[in-house]
Amino acid sequence: AQSVAQPEDQVNVAEGNPLTVKCTYSVSGNPYLFWYVQYPNRGLQFLLKYITGDNLVKGSYGFEAEFNKSQTSFHLKKPSALVSDSALYFCAVRDASNFGNEKLTFGTGTRLTIIP
Amino acid sequence: SAVISQKPSRDICQRGTSLTIQCQVDSQVTMMFWYRQQPGQSLTLIATANQGSEATYESGFVIDKFPISRPNLTFSTLTVSNMSPEDSSIYLCSVVGGRVLNTGELFFGEGSRLTVL
Repeated sequence: AQSVAQPEDQVNVAEGNPLTVKCTYSVSGNPYLFWYVQYPNRGLQFLLKYITGDNLVKGSYGFEAEFNKSQTSFHLKKPSALVSDSALYFCAVRDASNFGNEKLTFGTGTRLTIIP
Repeated sequence: SAVISQKPSRDICQRGTSLTIQCQVDSQVTMMFWYRQQPGQSLTLIATANQGSEATYESGFVIDKFPISRPNLTFSTLTVSNMSPEDSSIYLCSVVGGRVLNTGELFFGEGSRLTVL
């Protein structure tokens, strides 16, 4: 079984400050990890993913995420928040050992609000 | 990346009726996924649609309620049958990007927002 936890429903950050959106996961094998963003009345947009290699992955719009195997975490980060970053963020996981089953499990989402 | 078009983008439906959502992709894809996002909730996978075979449904979802068609490699439909207010959700079509299914990220359509009265 695979699961994702996003412990914070809401995160508020002042514009210009660094932001972190937390995500922890659980899989039987090795994880493939993803972050998505959803703006109001829109579908989900892919931000970044971790498959293998460097634990720090960089993605769209200046976002990055750090894979920590010992803590089973994949927190999303940005050094300086913009008001336009305000949106709903979803973490997702897929078990690398599940060949032929590309099911992606999503977390419950974190609403990020950047305060001007 | 894949470009995914969904129709309708939104609709208001009466209880007991059925609605078919269309999903068109700008490239050929092996697998298409249908997700549901209930108000204020995360995404839940309804089923996986493979061309030329029956869709594979997740626990809690059945073909009679959510029949799916996949006539070719670029198109799929999801029907929400005999709707009730509990079916009010955003329904999202998605496909895996890249050449390797297991490591590719999902690309999503804009979603179809259904409100059932």
